[in-house]
Amino acid sequence: AQSVTQLGSHVSVSEGALVLLRCNYSSSVPPYLFWYVQYPNQGLQLLLKYTSAATLVKGINGFEAEFKKSETSFHLTKPSAHMSDAAEYFCAVSVGAAGNKLTFGGGTRVLVKP
Amino acid sequence: DTAVSQTPKYLVTQMGNDKSIKCEQNLGHDTMYWYKQDSKKFLKIMFSYNNKELIINETVPNRFSPKSPDKAHLNLHINSLELGDSAVYFCASRGLNSLTIYFGEGSWLTVV
Repeated sequence: AQSVTQLGSHVSVSEGALVLLRCNYSSSVPPYLFWYVQYPNQGLQLLLKYTSAATLVKGINGFEAEFKKSETSFHLTKPSAHMSDAAEYFCAVSVGAAGNKLTFGGGTRVLVKP
Repeated sequence: DTAVSQTPKYLVTQMGNDKSIKCEQNLGHDTMYWYKQDSKKFLKIMFSYNNKELIINETVPNRFSPKSPDKAHLNLHINSLELGDSAVYFCASRGLNSLTIYFGEGSWLTVV
C-alpha cells in the first residue's frame, strides 16, 4: 500500500520569501504524485502532478515540484510567497490505472506574514 | 459551469437523522468518488464508482450508502447520523485514462 508523509503541519513564511513544503511517499510501484491546494472553506484544486514524464513539474500560481526517486520525495516550492498563497496544501499519491484512488498526506497549512 | 457540484454545501442536523448529499459532474467522467475530510483536515477515500459500479469501499460503516443512478451522479446517503460523522464530504471525478481527479467544493456536515 502507498502512503504520504508531509513534514510540518504548519509553515510560516514572509511575503516574498521562498515557500518549501516537504512531501515523502512510500510506494512499491512507480507512483503518480500530486499537490492540491485548499483555500479556506473551499474544495481542492490541483496545483501540479507528476506522471512519470519530466521530474521537474511546473504548476499553477508559480509553484513547482521535483520528483526525486532516490529520496522518495516530491517537495513543493515557490520562489516568492504571496499573501494569496495562504492555504492548506496536500500531497497525494496514486498507483495503477483502473480504479485508482488518491492517498493523501496530512496537509500543511501555510501562513504568509506581511 | 461548475465541473463537480455538490449539494447542500452546509448541513446541520441532529443525531439519529438520515441525510443525503448529492453530487453531479458535467465532465463526462467515468469514475466518481466520495472523500471524507475530518476535523484535523485529514482526507480519506470512502467510495469509488466506475460507470455506476462500486469499485472501492474503504471499510465505511454500513450507515453510509452511496448510490449512482448514472455515471454523472453519485449521491451519498447517511443513516442514523452520529456526532463523529461531522466532517467535510468531497465528491470527485476522474476521466477514463486520466490520472487527474477533480474535486467538488465540499459539503460541510455538522451533527449536533
